[in-house]
Amino acid sequence: NAGVTQTPKFRILKIGQSMTLQCAQDMNHNYMYWYRQDPGMGLKLIYYSVGAGITDKGEVPNGYNVSRSTTEDFPLRLELAAPSQTSVYFCASSYSNTEAFFGQGTRLTVV
Amino acid sequence: GIQVEQSPPDLILQEGANSTLRCNFSDSVNNLQWFHQNPWGQLINLFYIPSGTKQNGRLSATTVATERYSLLYISSSQTTDSGVYFCAVDRSNFGNEKLTFGTGTRLTIIP
Repeated sequence: NAGVTQTPKFRILKIGQSMTLQCAQDMNHNYMYWYRQDPGMGLKLIYYSVGAGITDKGEVPNGYNVSRSTTEDFPLRLELAAPSQTSVYFCASSYSNTEAFFGQGTRLTVV
Repeated sequence: GIQVEQSPPDLILQEGANSTLRCNFSDSVNNLQWFHQNPWGQLINLFYIPSGTKQNGRLSATTVATERYSLLYISSSQTTDSGVYFCAVDRSNFGNEKLTFGTGTRLTIIP
């Protein structure tokens, strides 16, 4: 049982480049989330999804896009990367408002 | 939104010591989780505890929902307990889309 799997683990982007962070879960959870964690801080919600085809903004959505075509996958798209998007990104999933489980994170540096 | 405060911000202890970490929140919650972020950045689920008391080995947690606080107890600390401990709460009845993290307690265990 893999849980929540994120790829890649590390990435360096140049300013203005785009990329997609992948997230997959095998627990059949309906809710999925993307968070970012800046140094020395807690996690902030970027986007979330309550099920396939349904997404909504979190606290810090600017500069990101998401899609949810299947229950298992919830990719996060960065368009026109900026240094302010340097952070660690975590994907999570849960069954409604029960316990949330997190992936191992993607460390992104924009230079 | 809901405010989450954790104390102390930093804690340095000798191996074998016991510790108590506190999480205060500003409103009623339907979800409260404790996480351990290890030195490699991985978020590990410790407890899902919106109310009551749970124990898992050397760790236990108590949430007093009516008084809006939760405590995490670590007994007989080991060096592998080092890292940052986060409390996260959510008021929603449906999903964790408002899962709000505290700023964490950084625990350092000295051999």
